[in-house]
Amino acid sequence: ETGVTQSPTHLIKTRGQQVTLRCSSQSGHNTVSWYQQALGQGPQFIFQYYREEENGRGNFPPRFSGLQFPNYSSELNVNALELDDSALYLCASGKDLNTGELFFGEGSRLTVL
Amino acid sequence: AQTVTQSQPEMSVQEAETVTLSCTYDTSESNYYLFWYKQPPSRQMILVIRQEAYKQQNATENRFSVNFQKAAKSFSLKISDSQLGDTAMYFCAFMKLWGGGADGLTFGKGTHLIIQP
Repeated sequence: ETGVTQSPTHLIKTRGQQVTLRCSSQSGHNTVSWYQQALGQGPQFIFQYYREEENGRGNFPPRFSGLQFPNYSSELNVNALELDDSALYLCASGKDLNTGELFFGEGSRLTVL
Repeated sequence: AQTVTQSQPEMSVQEAETVTLSCTYDTSESNYYLFWYKQPPSRQMILVIRQEAYKQQNATENRFSVNFQKAAKSFSLKISDSQLGDTAMYFCAFMKLWGGGADGLTFGKGTHLIIQP
């Protein structure tokens, strides 16, 4: 039990739609990061937030965006969904950026038809 | 950019045996962490062990230990007395450190470890 919860656990969307995924971190965790894990692959870093500001981004287009809120919750938004966006989306939180200790949620499985 | 390579897609051993998972990485950075994460079928990524690059001593956590060869950029995980509950995907990961911050994790493709009864 990591104390990080994600919702929804599964969802199905059609190409071109928009989706919002949510993550609730432990109290006191100032950083949250999001990862995309395609089937059979390792997770890929999308972006991370530190105290509600974006603090690093991976190789993902601008239609992937996020927010971090003061209550230790965060969102990942994906616009104009494409078939290749089908994946498990993982949220991870930590106290600070450089502690090297991240706690992962169980992920949201997104299927784009 | 950093890369992490896990050359063993799948491994299978008998319960109670010792198994070693391989990982190599490529970076020009000097300040970083290396990790091994376990992902069981429940999907939740669990930290197994962490190694700070500046530490020469290999990290250990109970039955789990690493062999960190910084010059060779190698970071293998040894699991002793393997148990059925160790069956999972294992990912090697790299985190670059800078000033007071850090980049996101760079993961390898994973090794599917199966512990046979």
